[in-house]
Amino acid sequence: GAVVSQHPSRVICKSGTSVKIECRSLDFQATTMFWYRQFPKQSLMLMATSNEGSKATYEQGVEKDKFLINHASLTLSTLTVTSAHPEDSSFYICSARAFLPGMNTEAFFGQGTRLTVV
Amino acid sequence: AQTVTQSQPEMSVQEAETVTLSCTYDTSESDYYLFWYKQPPSRQMILVIRQEAYKQQNATENRFSVNFQKAAKSFSLKISDSQLGDAAMYFCALTGANSKLTFGKGITLSVRP
Repeated sequence: GAVVSQHPSRVICKSGTSVKIECRSLDFQATTMFWYRQFPKQSLMLMATSNEGSKATYEQGVEKDKFLINHASLTLSTLTVTSAHPEDSSFYICSARAFLPGMNTEAFFGQGTRLTVV
Repeated sequence: AQTVTQSQPEMSVQEAETVTLSCTYDTSESDYYLFWYKQPPSRQMILVIRQEAYKQQNATENRFSVNFQKAAKSFSLKISDSQLGDAAMYFCALTGANSKLTFGKGITLSVRP
């Protein structure tokens, strides 16, 4: 299957600083990438949808100035948590939708990033 | 709008036995896809099985099979010959042709040796 690489897997940052998380599709071009947040023992909560070359679409209740998403190419999307606070501590997961015939409805997931804000 | 409901938060199965995880959904789209994802302790999301709504035949992947009841909007996952490595959180998910993936709340499956 297609591979999505997410980096870093773990990050600890100080309150007030910004953190960037990268999501790369390694062997396919992703027309759309999704960013999720997941709390322990809970489901994935969609934060935003990004399409290459256009602005991200944020879900209701997600602060777009807080969670900056850039999708500069068909293989890379980044999520920047700006001015991080302890309540932003969570597990963040990206997924990419393949731009391949017959596969464009399947999403491939990154390994996730555990963010801890101290 | 589309919704996915997993009403059982936890289930347990004896090793080598069979277990069925339930899922119901709702969507207004005529063309959609259903998935079961496994999330082990590593938290990597792993696709277990996929079903295209237009296909009447239930999908099967080795020990994993689904019971897709389109009229009832039900999509259950059967795990046969359960193994210790099957212990994980399982999510039912739904997507239309061009829409986002909607997840259920998930179910934690434990396997007793």
